[in-house]
Amino acid sequence: DAGVIQSPRHEVTEMGQEVTLRCKPISGHNSLFWYRQTMMRGLELLIYFNNNVPIDDSGMPEDRFSAKMPNASFSTLKIQPSEPRDSAVYFCASSWTGQSTEAFFGQGTRLTVV
Amino acid sequence: SQQGEEDPQALSIQEGENATMNCSYKTSINNLQWYRQNSGRGLVHLILIRSNEREKHSGRLRVTLDTSKKSSSLLITASRAADTASYFCAPYGGSQGNLIFGKGTKLSVKP
Repeated sequence: DAGVIQSPRHEVTEMGQEVTLRCKPISGHNSLFWYRQTMMRGLELLIYFNNNVPIDDSGMPEDRFSAKMPNASFSTLKIQPSEPRDSAVYFCASSWTGQSTEAFFGQGTRLTVV
Repeated sequence: SQQGEEDPQALSIQEGENATMNCSYKTSINNLQWYRQNSGRGLVHLILIRSNEREKHSGRLRVTLDTSKKSSSLLITASRAADTASYFCAPYGGSQGNLIFGKGTKLSVKP
């Protein structure tokens, strides 16, 4: 397996634009996580899916953020409209929520909103 | 869901020395995991210790778990410059399945 695949790797956009980040989890994994990392706030859990269902979205900052998981092999995180304070590295991770629960991370998407 | 608190926030040592990082958490767990993050990269799983285990080894890594004190430690022996990274713990409670990370320990190993 190629691991967790995120796209794009880098995104530069203007304030007010819509941004969509994509994630392909490892085949067979049933849990998917979206994280945001900044120097100030560290690594924040935004939302957690289990079997394609959002279980915990308490970390989603505000209504401008939305996440979907239409099937077991794809998830998106959308920001609309984007703001400069959304600039961060966004990570997607997946795991099998059994005995192991080891999470595998993608390489991240570095988002810059100007 | 719960978050681990790593201590110290930063640690600087010479190559060849041992590095010890600590993690505290608040509620009962199924297991506790340690991850490493190299600058600008995604986290990489290092080792998992279950709640019924007290110590676990993997190569130069040694992890201990004290459930009575709700704490864990990660020891890296004979450190190398390549061990320079941030280290995070993630206590896993199992009830919700999510993984929450603290601010991590930033380890710098000087050659």
